[in-house]
Amino acid sequence: AQTVTQSQPEMSVQEAETVTLSCTYDTSESDYYLFWYKQPPSRQMILVIRQEAYKQQNATENRFSVNFQKAAKSFSLKISDSQLGDAAMYFCAYRSAFYGGSQGNLIFGKGTKLSVKP
Amino acid sequence: KAGVTQTPRYLIKTRGQQVTLSCSPISGHRSVSWYQQTPGQGLQFLFEYFSETQRNKGNFPGRFSGRQFSNSRSEMNVSTLELGDSALYLCASRYDRGPPYEQYFGPGTRLTVT
Repeated sequence: AQTVTQSQPEMSVQEAETVTLSCTYDTSESDYYLFWYKQPPSRQMILVIRQEAYKQQNATENRFSVNFQKAAKSFSLKISDSQLGDAAMYFCAYRSAFYGGSQGNLIFGKGTKLSVKP
Repeated sequence: KAGVTQTPRYLIKTRGQQVTLSCSPISGHRSVSWYQQTPGQGLQFLFEYFSETQRNKGNFPGRFSGRQFSNSRSEMNVSTLELGDSALYLCASRYDRGPPYEQYFGPGTRLTVT
């Protein structure tokens, strides 16, 4: 069975600074998808970024980027120029690409609570 | 497009009762998944529905059930509620006819069992 581990329960960053959230996963599959979701106090789960395992290039979405190390099974999220609105729980998630990704549930880590100091 | 909607947003029930939660996916999305979020267990997958059929199921007791209608709207039902069923129940929909297959979540239903 696949597992996702986020070893940092809480992190803190100064506004405008950069922070990196860690995620490791365990799987015997070669093809899969990885995601970072953000859950602010409103509880609405928001997709931050996606990475396909077959792509070597790290995904980037504006101030958010990932460092995907497939061999090490590591998938960290870097937030640059942190803003107050980035304060939230961040969840790393895995989904198998079996059936081409059209099926399969998300497997989540326990989350990292990010605080942003003004 | 409108996002995923869930009703009701908050619910208080008594132990032993049953409850039905509703989810309307994003227009055009045929896959709907349900997740339970608790402080202790985190986010856990309940089940996934596609074209009115349950396609995938998590490790939850039979008290948890669901269904999907022809318009892709989904409901989940929990019978004989227990205190431990208190949680945030999240629904997510997905476009399944091609990549990237990511799931979009609704705002959740907060269920409190007393």
